[in-house]
Amino acid sequence: AQKVTQAQTEISVVEKEDVTLDCVYETRDTTYYLFWYKQPPSGELVFLIRRNSFDEQNEISGRYSWNFQKSTSSFNFTITASQVVDSAVYFCALSEASETSGSRLTFGEGTQLTVNP
Amino acid sequence: EAQVTQNPRYLITVTGKKLTVTCSQNMNHEYMSWYRQDPGLGLRQIYYSMNVEVTDKGDVPEGYKVSRKEKRNFPLILESPSPNQTSLYFCASSFGTWNEQYFGPGTRLTVT
Repeated sequence: AQKVTQAQTEISVVEKEDVTLDCVYETRDTTYYLFWYKQPPSGELVFLIRRNSFDEQNEISGRYSWNFQKSTSSFNFTITASQVVDSAVYFCALSEASETSGSRLTFGEGTQLTVNP
Repeated sequence: EAQVTQNPRYLITVTGKKLTVTCSQNMNHEYMSWYRQDPGLGLRQIYYSMNVEVTDKGDVPEGYKVSRKEKRNFPLILESPSPNQTSLYFCASSFGTWNEQYFGPGTRLTVT
């Protein structure tokens, strides 16, 4: 069965610090997708990035970067020079599509990031 | 405007009183799903639908029903709600499991 683990329940940093959110996943499929979503205090869920299992290139988008490593089954998310507006709950998610797993989407428990001024 | 709508946004009800939470999307998405969010447990998928008349169980389907009679609508039905179904519910849609999910605003349900 697929599983996503975000071991960091809460992280607190001071503005301008860099912070990395960890995501470890388990799957038996060779084809899958990984996602990160952000949930700010207002409650909506916002898509950040999608990665397929065949593309291990790291990605950078402004202050955000993602490190995908199949060897360690990890898809970590780094915010550089954090800002107060980055305060949110961040979710990592895994999607498979197979005869055994159906077409489920599995989320991690989420990491509450607080950026203090 | 592309969106997923849910109604009601807030609901307080009593144990055993059947209720339906509606979900509608205007993006012609084939894939729709329901999640519940509980502290410390993240988002857990309840049911999903690959297309009209095609639904399947997610990780926590017990106590819930769904139907997909039209592409745009995917209601969540609680036939006999219990207090352990008190939660924040999100509906989402996408072109497929492997695509970005568009989430509704959430429905906060309290069952007393």
